[in-house]
Amino acid sequence: DTGVSQNPRHKITKRGQNVTFRCDPISEHNRLYWYRQTLGQGPEFLTYFQNEAQLEKSRLLSDRFSAERPKGSFSTLEIQRTEQGDSAMYLCASGLRTAQETQYFGPGTRLLVL
Amino acid sequence: GEDVEQSLFLSVREGDSSVINCTYTDSSSTYLYWYKQEPGAGLQLLTYIFSNMDMKQDQRLTVLLNKKDKHLSLRIADTQTGDSAIYFCAESQYGGSQGNLIFGKGTKLSVKP
Repeated sequence: DTGVSQNPRHKITKRGQNVTFRCDPISEHNRLYWYRQTLGQGPEFLTYFQNEAQLEKSRLLSDRFSAERPKGSFSTLEIQRTEQGDSAMYLCASGLRTAQETQYFGPGTRLLVL
Repeated sequence: GEDVEQSLFLSVREGDSSVINCTYTDSSSTYLYWYKQEPGAGLQLLTYIFSNMDMKQDQRLTVLLNKKDKHLSLRIADTQTGDSAIYFCAESQYGGSQGNLIFGKGTKLSVKP
C-alpha cells in the first residue's frame, strides 16, 4: 500500500454515460498525476497538477475528459459520454516537487464501458 | 519523440538471476525508474537511478545504466516466485524537473519453481 487511494476500484457503465473517479494522494504530496493503462501497455500520461493548478494535459485527454483538484488535495477525473475505447485502468500517482520526481501510484480504477 | 522499449517476456527458474533490459531515446532524461506491477494492482516503485550514475544497488536489485547506448537494466538476484510480475522501465519526459513519466510496455517476468 503506497498511501495513494482510488475509488471506485471497478466501474462498469454503458456507452454514453458519465463517470467520475476519485484519487486521494499521500497527504504531503503537492503533485498529482493521472495515467491511463490499457491491456498489454504501460501507463500513458493524461494530466498532472501541482497543488490545485493543472499544469499539463496530454493530447490523449480529449474534451470529454476533465480533471480537477479543487483544494490541492484529492482529485477527480470525469469522463463524459463514455465510449468503448475508454475502457482501461485509470491510475493516479502522487509525488513531491523534487529533482528525482518519484511518483507513487494508487491501485487504479478499472473502467469497462459496455 | 520519446520511446521506451523493453522485451515483453522473461522466464527464469527460482534462485536464478533475472535481467530485464530497457532502451530509451530521450538523452535529456535525468532520472530513470523501474516499477513493478502485480496482477490487478497499481505500480510499485522499485528503484530509480540518476543519469550521472552507472550503477545502483539496493538489496537484491542492481540497476545498470549505459548512458552512451541509452540502455538500462534491472538485475534481480536470487529470483523468487513472488517476483513474478510485470516490470516497467520509465523515463522522465522533461529530465526530472516536472511532469510525466514515459513508460515502456513492460516485461512480464515468470519465475518457475
